[in-house]
Amino acid sequence: NAGVMQNPRHLVRRRGQEARLRCSPMKGHSHVYWYRQLPEEGLKFVYLQKENIIDESGMPKERFSAEFPKEGPSILRIQQVVRGDSAAYFCASSPSGGPNQPQHFGDGTRLSIL
Amino acid sequence: DQQVKQNSPSLSVQEGRISILNCDYTNSMFDYFLWYKKYPAEGPTFLISISSIKDKNEDGRFTVFLNKSAKHLSLHIVPSQPGDSAVYFCAASAYNFNKFYFGSGTKLNVKP
Repeated sequence: NAGVMQNPRHLVRRRGQEARLRCSPMKGHSHVYWYRQLPEEGLKFVYLQKENIIDESGMPKERFSAEFPKEGPSILRIQQVVRGDSAAYFCASSPSGGPNQPQHFGDGTRLSIL
Repeated sequence: DQQVKQNSPSLSVQEGRISILNCDYTNSMFDYFLWYKKYPAEGPTFLISISSIKDKNEDGRFTVFLNKSAKHLSLHIVPSQPGDSAVYFCAASAYNFNKFYFGSGTKLNVKP
């Protein structure tokens, strides 16, 4: 049973470009979470998709969006990237949400903004 | 607003000794707590959890203690092994929350 798969592992963009980060959750997992880890900081919640419910409360305004199509990977899209977007972005999934369902994490995408 | 805090960025312990990692939280609504372990260039992996109805949970060499009145939890690793060297994150949530709140991590170095 494959784990959470993220790609690319490393992504370099220039300021003003768009970054697209992809995540395939574990099979049978309905909840997909995105986290961002800035250097020397912990994981900060960005986005949750579970069925038809979306929690975007952690999403920086305007430039961030996420897709969770029925077919294909979940995509975190960052438009007009800035230097402050340089971070590791982790995707996690869980079977049915709830705090007693530990999340399974991918190995992350390291985004570097030149 | 950092609701989960790990005030020690690093900890160094001799192999065979006990490692104690600490975590404090501010939100009294949190009722479930987890510890994750993270190696470089990998994602975090779940280690152990505890519900607020308990004050201790043990799994092999790992024990988590919860002090609700102090809003404090700790992870004990006994005996510590070099393979335990990693960054440890504590996380908290509640049954009516959609998300987990993570601390900033403690980097544990277990010296042979």
